[in-house]
Amino acid sequence: AQSVTQLDSQVPVFEEAPVELRCNYSSSVSVYLFWYVQYPNQGLQLLLKYLSGSTLVKGINGFEAEFNKSQTSFHLRKPSVHISDTAEYFCAVARFLGGSQGNLIFGKGTKLSVKP
Amino acid sequence: GAVVSQHPSRVICKSGTSVKIECRSLDFQATTMFWYRQFPKQSLMLMATSNEGSKATYEQGVEKDKFLINHASLTLSTLTVTSAHPEDSSFYICSARVAGGPGEQYFGPGTRLTVT
Repeated sequence: AQSVTQLDSQVPVFEEAPVELRCNYSSSVSVYLFWYVQYPNQGLQLLLKYLSGSTLVKGINGFEAEFNKSQTSFHLRKPSVHISDTAEYFCAVARFLGGSQGNLIFGKGTKLSVKP
Repeated sequence: GAVVSQHPSRVICKSGTSVKIECRSLDFQATTMFWYRQFPKQSLMLMATSNEGSKATYEQGVEKDKFLINHASLTLSTLTVTSAHPEDSSFYICSARVAGGPGEQYFGPGTRLTVT
């Protein structure tokens, strides 16, 4: 079975500072990796995903993540955050099923609070 | 593209009544839709997988007689919470998987259910 651990439940940061949201996963099979963002009372929006290829993945809103197989990590980074980045961020994995993906398994989320 | 809508966005109902939530894929066909439940400040928990034209597959611990799922067409799945109780109050989110694609899910904006 797959599992996802988001090590920080809350990350406060000042505007224009860099941020890293940590995500570790465990799986005995190949997986796809995702980061989603959720604004208050809204659904999830895909930030970026890793399926294969380059381990550095660039997403929307200036975010990027690096897949590290040896450390089973997929940390999300942004070099300079904005107030509008304040939201809940979820890391998720999906089992690789021969060209398609299995169900998503989510971490518990990290609340990013950007302060002026 | 790949827009998923949910209706209603917010609903308040009395204990003992039933409420139906609709999930629609607006610009693509979805053979599979997923229903998630999210408690305050927690992650998404998969409730069931809905396949067009067949019975839904429920996750362990989810009462299928209480949470009725119907996937009548390639663009519509419905979740009916029967005999609702206050503990059913939650944020319900659906997602849809593009038919024939690699399996990426697109999420709806969610429905806030409050049972009084």
